[in-house]
Amino acid sequence: DSGVTQTPKHLITATGQRVTLRCSPRSGDLSVYWYQQSLDQGLQFLIQYYNGEERAKGNILERFSAQQFPDLHSELNLSSLELGDSALYFCASSVSSGANVLTFGAGSRLTVL
Amino acid sequence: GQQLNQSPQSMFIQEGEDVSMNCTSSSIFNTWLWYKQDPGEGPVLLIALYKAGELTSNGRLTAQFGITRKDSFLNISASIPSDVGIYFCATPEETSGSRLTFGEGTQLTVNP
Repeated sequence: DSGVTQTPKHLITATGQRVTLRCSPRSGDLSVYWYQQSLDQGLQFLIQYYNGEERAKGNILERFSAQQFPDLHSELNLSSLELGDSALYFCASSVSSGANVLTFGAGSRLTVL
Repeated sequence: GQQLNQSPQSMFIQEGEDVSMNCTSSSIFNTWLWYKQDPGEGPVLLIALYKAGELTSNGRLTAQFGITRKDSFLNISASIPSDVGIYFCATPEETSGSRLTFGEGTQLTVNP
């Protein structure tokens, strides 16, 4: 157990729908990162939050949004889902915004039918 | 943005064999990280390298930070079935220093 908790572990939904993925960082970590891993692709950085504020943005679609709450948990919202959004979504955390060693959760597998 | 070229893309070996994989870039880095992803799990940090020329071991794993600072190597000795998984190299993003850029991974299969 890495200490980073992601829910749900698996999610199946239909095109056009909206889902929310949740992440609780490791105790003491203030920074949360979201990554997408599609089939046959590496890990693509989506967005980073530090202590409730957005710190960095990667190749995140406009249909996707995220936030980090005062208790430091984070949610990734995916809307108007398309087949191509099917992927593993990983959350990672680190103690500070500048830390370069991330601890990953087990991921949420999203399947869009 | 920075791009990491990882090779080989996949490897099929027999138990007991040694494994070598590498990661290269056109950019210079101050940190190289190696992660392993087991099937159905998130990546787990194996080794972190912070100095050019550094050679660091973690059990049967040994990683090296290339002298040019543009590459890194990971070796696994005497492979066992639980070494199966995807191995990723990663480096911190140049400007933010926190978000990681990952290579595309080396898929390792170990036949008993």
